[in-house]
Amino acid sequence: GQQVMQIPQYQHVQEGEDFTTYCNSSTTLSNIQWYKQRPGGHPVFLIQLVKSGEVKKQKRLTFQFGEAKKNSSLHITATQTTDVGTYFCALGGSQGNLIFGKGTKLSVKP
Amino acid sequence: DAGITQSPRHKVTETGTPVTLRCHQTENHRYMYWYRQDPGHGLRLIHYSYGVKDTDKGEVSDGYSVSRSKTEDFLLTLESATSSQTSVYFCAISKTGPLSYEQYFGPGTRLTVT
Repeated sequence: GQQVMQIPQYQHVQEGEDFTTYCNSSTTLSNIQWYKQRPGGHPVFLIQLVKSGEVKKQKRLTFQFGEAKKNSSLHITATQTTDVGTYFCALGGSQGNLIFGKGTKLSVKP
Repeated sequence: DAGITQSPRHKVTETGTPVTLRCHQTENHRYMYWYRQDPGHGLRLIHYSYGVKDTDKGEVSDGYSVSRSKTEDFLLTLESATSSQTSVYFCAISKTGPLSYEQYFGPGTRLTVT
């Protein structure tokens, strides 16, 4: 079945540095979602992308969907300690479920 | 959040015992999902429901059963728990339909099978 690969698996940054995580697929995606999970918490929906080349921004977060709809990225500008957590991309499955990547765990050193 | 609670929040049980996890929602949404989260695997779908008494299997359904006798409750049962079912279990709802991938998750249940 469809799956997505996320890189990197871990990222350690100094507070104020930028951070990017990438989500890649070998097949064309109809949609991609991004979720954030704080340590000990549950996944929280961030954004959905459906259009080729789409770019969406939420404050310091920028989400992109590739032109070929086979990849997506999440970029955080000037990280803060509140950005700590695991960021997942997820594609929508035929059962209405989410198919998650394995996530990128972000740690931020103050 | 979306008025989703899960119970119990933590449970330790022995191999071979039956275990039931409960997901309760207060907003009468039709679509509900059970996922498990394991290190190195992300979240994987166990079962899902698209209405009262309407359920179907997900990617990792072996060893699990579900029931939904009321809109607000979705129960996940491990018939005979095994150590491989040690995991964190999340319930989720979809507010706007089967192909809405904006899902809302409950706080999770951490299950340990010894």
